[in-house]
Amino acid sequence: SQKIEQNSEALNIQEGKTATLTCNYTNYSPAYLQWYRQDPGRGPVFLLLIRENEKEKRKERLKVTFDTTLKQSLFHITASQPADSATYLCAPPADRGSTLGRLYFGRGTQLTVWP
Amino acid sequence: DTEVTQTPKHLVMGMTNKKSLKCEQHMGHRAMYWYKQKAKKPPELMFVYSYEKLSINESVPSRFSPECPNSSLLNLHLHALQPEDSALYLCASSPSSGTEKAQYFGPGTRLTVL
Repeated sequence: SQKIEQNSEALNIQEGKTATLTCNYTNYSPAYLQWYRQDPGRGPVFLLLIRENEKEKRKERLKVTFDTTLKQSLFHITASQPADSATYLCAPPADRGSTLGRLYFGRGTQLTVWP
Repeated sequence: DTEVTQTPKHLVMGMTNKKSLKCEQHMGHRAMYWYKQKAKKPPELMFVYSYEKLSINESVPSRFSPECPNSSLLNLHLHALQPEDSALYLCASSPSSGTEKAQYFGPGTRLTVL
């Protein structure tokens, strides 16, 4: 069965540095992948979507890459700020042919940016 | 209006109670979702409604009963729940249920079953 792994449960970095979060998938090839941010006790917030034929996508200080050879997506936050502290969730579709919005969320990486 | 609202924010119920969770969106979205999220775990999909019809039920126990009265409203009726059903229940919507559609989540209802 398909499997999603986010590299670590927690990542602590200093303000101003670049945070890099990893999402690995096995046993299938998602056509796209979404990234969400979740703050404690709140619902996830959509950040970015990247398709399999796109190598990179950017939005302000955020950058996502998608390497279908490595079966991996990287999520970068440049010039990180304490306000970026949150849990970041990787969410590909549950199966490649899914047309009904069935997303499969990874366990998430809890990012803490300290001053 | 670009948000999904959920009521109540918190709910405590006994195992014999019947209660309902409510979700509303006014973005014209035609797909709506219910997720369950336990502490330190990712959201798990429960139900998907597409154009007001139930299109996915992820083998959810019948003590959870969804309802979509119209395109803006989604309910989750709860009956005879178990303590292990205590969780954050999230509602989400998207423009349609097709591929590549971002999902917009509400703040959730924190449910405690005693």
